[in-house]
Amino acid sequence: AQTVTQSQPEMSVQEAETVTLSCTYDTSESDYYLFWYKQPPSRQMILVIRQEAYKQQNATENRFSVNFQKAAKSFSLKISDSQLGDAAMYFCAYSNNDMRFGAGTRLTVKP
Amino acid sequence: GAVVSQHPSRVICKSGTSVKIECRSLDFQATTMFWYRQFPKKSLMLMATSNEGSKATYEQGVEKDKFLINHASLTLSTLTVTSAHPEDSSFYICSARDRVVNRDTQYFGPGTRLTVL
Repeated sequence: AQTVTQSQPEMSVQEAETVTLSCTYDTSESDYYLFWYKQPPSRQMILVIRQEAYKQQNATENRFSVNFQKAAKSFSLKISDSQLGDAAMYFCAYSNNDMRFGAGTRLTVKP
Repeated sequence: GAVVSQHPSRVICKSGTSVKIECRSLDFQATTMFWYRQFPKKSLMLMATSNEGSKATYEQGVEKDKFLINHASLTLSTLTVTSAHPEDSSFYICSARDRVVNRDTQYFGPGTRLTVL
């Protein structure tokens, strides 16, 4: 079974600084998708960024970028120029038909 | 685009009653919808996968007779919690997968907080 591991239960970053959230996963599949979702206090799950495993190029979405290392099965999220609104739970997810989530990382942004 | 609604957002019911939660994809067709349960400060736990026009597939340990899922159209799936008990109190989240665009991406509803007294 596929598993997703987020080893950082909590992270903190100063406003305007950069923070990296870690994620590793385990799979025997070669074709799959990886995601980062954000869950603010409202509990609405918001898609942050998406990566297709067959693409070598790392996905970017404005201030959000990933470091996808397929051989190492690593998928970290970098948030640049952190803003107060970035404070939330961040979930890493793996999908090959079904989606599996990591335990989440709670990000605090200090003003 | 890719908006998913969920209704109701919050429900309180008495033990032994049944509660229905609706999940709708508003601007896209979803052949597949998913139902998750989330405990406080925990991750999402997949309960079942709902395919339009066919029976839902339940994860191990999820009682299919207790959590009835119906996916009658490409834009609507319902979860009915039958004979609810206090231990069923939780946050339930649905998601939908666009059958045309970004087929592996799930878009989530805002969730339903169920409290069983």
